[in-house]
Amino acid sequence: DIVMTQSPTSMSISVGDRVTMNCKASQNVGSNVDWYQQKTGQSPKLLIYKASNRYTGVPDRFTGSGSGTDFTFTISNMQAEDLAVYYCMQSNSYPPTFGGGTKLELK
Amino acid sequence: QVQLQQSGAELVKPGSSVKISCKASGYTFTSYDMHWIKQQPGNGLEWIGWIYPGNGNTKYNQKFNGKATLTADKSSSTAYMQLSSLTSEDSAVYFCARSWRYGGYCFDYWGQGVMVTVSS
Repeated sequence: DIVMTQSPTSMSISVGDRVTMNCKASQNVGSNVDWYQQKTGQSPKLLIYKASNRYTGVPDRFTGSGSGTDFTFTISNMQAEDLAVYYCMQSNSYPPTFGGGTKLELK
Repeated sequence: QVQLQQSGAELVKPGSSVKISCKASGYTFTSYDMHWIKQQPGNGLEWIGWIYPGNGNTKYNQKFNGKATLTADKSSSTAYMQLSSLTSEDSAVYFCARSWRYGGYCFDYWGQGVMVTVSS
């Protein structure tokens, strides 16, 4: 199975910060990576698909980039409602696998 | 609008089975794969498998072969997952999620999740 390693595992941030997190695949996954946001007690929500495409209705402060094995997810202007755990997922080969998540907490 | 409504929380005994449901509405049920994902408390996400309700085709994560069985009822637009021979390791929240393909695929709609607790 492809291992998706996310870093950091947690971040202490302030409203207005620029937040960047990473996801590294154990082998080439092309651009078949998505990013999800999961708030406490909720189901995950799709933000970015195919590495860099913003899903319908997702604010433009969320961006994704990368291909191959290295991917980056950025929140350009952190808002309080963005506090959550963020997961990357690869769907290039079976089984699809998720990273361990990056948790955003208030400083 | 697209909705995936899952059944309620389950408390089940070790060694038993449980069947949870995911009722879809707002789209053509038979045209999209339905996936199931496991999340243990405080842990990340683990893919179990998918079913294509149009023809009943399924694909499983090898780890869940023999543990999970996916079915779908076209007449009620409902997907089901049965978990068998339950142990404490099966205590988790289980999500259904619709996928759409772009070459890879992503999960654009999710159910609210079903908490399954395995305890004697």
